[in-house]
Amino acid sequence: EADIYQTPRYLVIGTGKKITLECSQTMGHDKMYWYQQDPGMELHLIHYSYGVNSTEKGDLSSESTVSRIRTEHFPLTLESARPSHTSQYLCASSDFYGYTFGSGTRLTVV
Amino acid sequence: RKEVEQDPGPFNVPEGATVAFNCTYSNSASQSFFWYRQDCRKEPKLLMSVYSSGNEDGRFTAQLNRASQYISLLIRDSKLSDSATYLCVVNDEGRSQGNLIFGKGTKLSVKP
Repeated sequence: EADIYQTPRYLVIGTGKKITLECSQTMGHDKMYWYQQDPGMELHLIHYSYGVNSTEKGDLSSESTVSRIRTEHFPLTLESARPSHTSQYLCASSDFYGYTFGSGTRLTVV
Repeated sequence: RKEVEQDPGPFNVPEGATVAFNCTYSNSASQSFFWYRQDCRKEPKLLMSVYSSGNEDGRFTAQLNRASQYISLLIRDSKLSDSATYLCVVNDEGRSQGNLIFGKGTKLSVKP
């Protein structure tokens, strides 16, 4: 049973649309993360948060933005989707024992 | 130099074989080390943490060599279900607030 949930699981959307990828966790973790992963490639950290009202950009430059208004919720928004945004987006949260990942959102921009 | 380097494989082995994966990391200040497993088109899942003295979990043994900045994972008596990509993960101590850095992964394919 998952403790971190991502929706939608798959999304196909047209260029120029605004989209929000949802991520929620029920574990009460303060730390949350967004990773981007292309097929067969490594995970790249694009955003992270260490608590409510805290957000930071990760190692990989991204045109997306995030917000952290509630501990359990860490949505990622793309204001204007482009084909170059096609990828898998993985949300994670962590505590002392390690990271837990959501099932991911597979985004295709056409 | 990449932060975390792994042999991408693929490693194609028969059932029952013993297989070893190696990983090197660049940040000598790193304090936390992990192996994650990622199945095709799935999210990564923690396989095991890696402790300084080495640790074992069933058929899996992890070793850490801080002097050489080297981590290994040994899988004994490999099963078909072990087929996956194994990610070496290190915390970026002293930088980026200690977030985890993921290697590209080593792909393992266990054949009958």
